[in-house]
Amino acid sequence: NAGVMQNPRHLVRRRGQEARLRCSPMKGHSHVYWYRQLPEEGLKFMVYLQKENIIDESGMPKERFSAEFPKEGPSILRIQQVVRGDSAAYFCASSSGRTSNQPQHFGDGTRLSIL
Amino acid sequence: ILNVEQSPQSLHVQEGDSTNFTCSFPSSNFYALHWYRWETAKSPEALFVMTLNGDEKKKGRISATLNTKEGYSYLYIKGSQPEDSATYLCAPYNTDKLIFGTGTRLQVFP
Repeated sequence: NAGVMQNPRHLVRRRGQEARLRCSPMKGHSHVYWYRQLPEEGLKFMVYLQKENIIDESGMPKERFSAEFPKEGPSILRIQQVVRGDSAAYFCASSSGRTSNQPQHFGDGTRLSIL
Repeated sequence: ILNVEQSPQSLHVQEGDSTNFTCSFPSSNFYALHWYRWETAKSPEALFVMTLNGDEKKKGRISATLNTKEGYSYLYIKGSQPEDSATYLCAPYNTDKLIFGTGTRLQVFP
């Protein structure tokens, strides 16, 4: 039962390092969404991608954060030169179509801790 | 910025009680409303996608209604069970993304 797979589940980085978070969508899904949950806060939209295209990145911080969803392979959320404030849970979701009438299916998240 | 409010923030009920909570959202430019159930240490799970004013959806003991004109949705749980303990999130769909509320945290005591 191939649901949305995220790895790693937990990631520890020191300040200034890079963090790479991976997300493999459900089979047959070509729409991927990334969300961030800061401590004591709700899920906040970051970016929406389809294969090889960024559709909406209005929730992404302007610097240090980037996302891709290549033709082959998982979607990657990349955070360069991490800072303590990047510590959060990062969730990926996928859907089979635009989410006006299709539910999103979530992965278990990556918990990022910055030392 | 879309303002999504859920109330109450948290709720404690006894097993067997029925309960309901509210999601409020701007009624303009409405496309769809999603409800998710999020258990601790798990991933959010889709419950309902609602698109039409007056829509009512049901899944077992859980049901939801939608009023797009006034901008609210109710989620009802009939005869709550301890396994219903979770955070219930609503999310209107707006320009290609879901905007999540902070959720209602439900705790059902046996």
